[in-house]
Amino acid sequence: DGGITQSPKYLFRKEGQNVTLSCEQNLNHDAMYWYRQDPGQGLRLIYYSQIVNDFQKGDIAEGYSVSREKKESFPLTVTSAQKNPTAFYLCASSVGAGYGYTFGSGTRLTVV
Amino acid sequence: GENVEQHPSTLSVQEGDSAVIKCTYSDSASNYFPWYKQELGKGPQLIIDIRSNVGEKKDQRIAVTLNKTAKHFSLHITETQPEDSAVYFCAAPNSNSGYALNFGKGTSLLVTP
Repeated sequence: DGGITQSPKYLFRKEGQNVTLSCEQNLNHDAMYWYRQDPGQGLRLIYYSQIVNDFQKGDIAEGYSVSREKKESFPLTVTSAQKNPTAFYLCASSVGAGYGYTFGSGTRLTVV
Repeated sequence: GENVEQHPSTLSVQEGDSAVIKCTYSDSASNYFPWYKQELGKGPQLIIDIRSNVGEKKDQRIAVTLNKTAKHFSLHITETQPEDSAVYFCAAPNSNSGYALNFGKGTSLLVTP
């Protein structure tokens, strides 16, 4: 079955640490996205990638980094520069602009 | 940037009644408007979408209407059932990138038996 997989489901980070969230898709989609979800805030765009080896900042990119070395994979690193990283992180993919997203099941990151 | 407003933030209806959720957008060039349903602890799922060349689209108990002049679109759920209880999000193309989607803040729908 085609789909998009995020791992881990839960992640705990200590102050000052970088952590990387995994996102893998086997839908053959060109575009991939990362969103952050906070209670009452909806989904806010962190980064997106239209094609392999290319990515663009979203509205809240500060403190985050990404890479897109393979079509299937779009990992997100939450760096120590992100001052309030506790949130639910969602990865998505789509055929391209103007098409619906397929979302992963999310990673809940907590700073301890 | 932020360009999608969604109302109401919470909605409670009795089973069998209809539910309507409304969204407004700011970029007149927007041409694609999807709706997503998110159940607790899961990722959102696309339930219906509409493009700017049509005014209405239906899929069984769900419909979406689009008014391009007023720049708003609505989700209509008829004959609601308890399993319709979830958070619903509307979306429109991001006005900065024109590529990714901007989402509304969500509507928590509760259908009571």
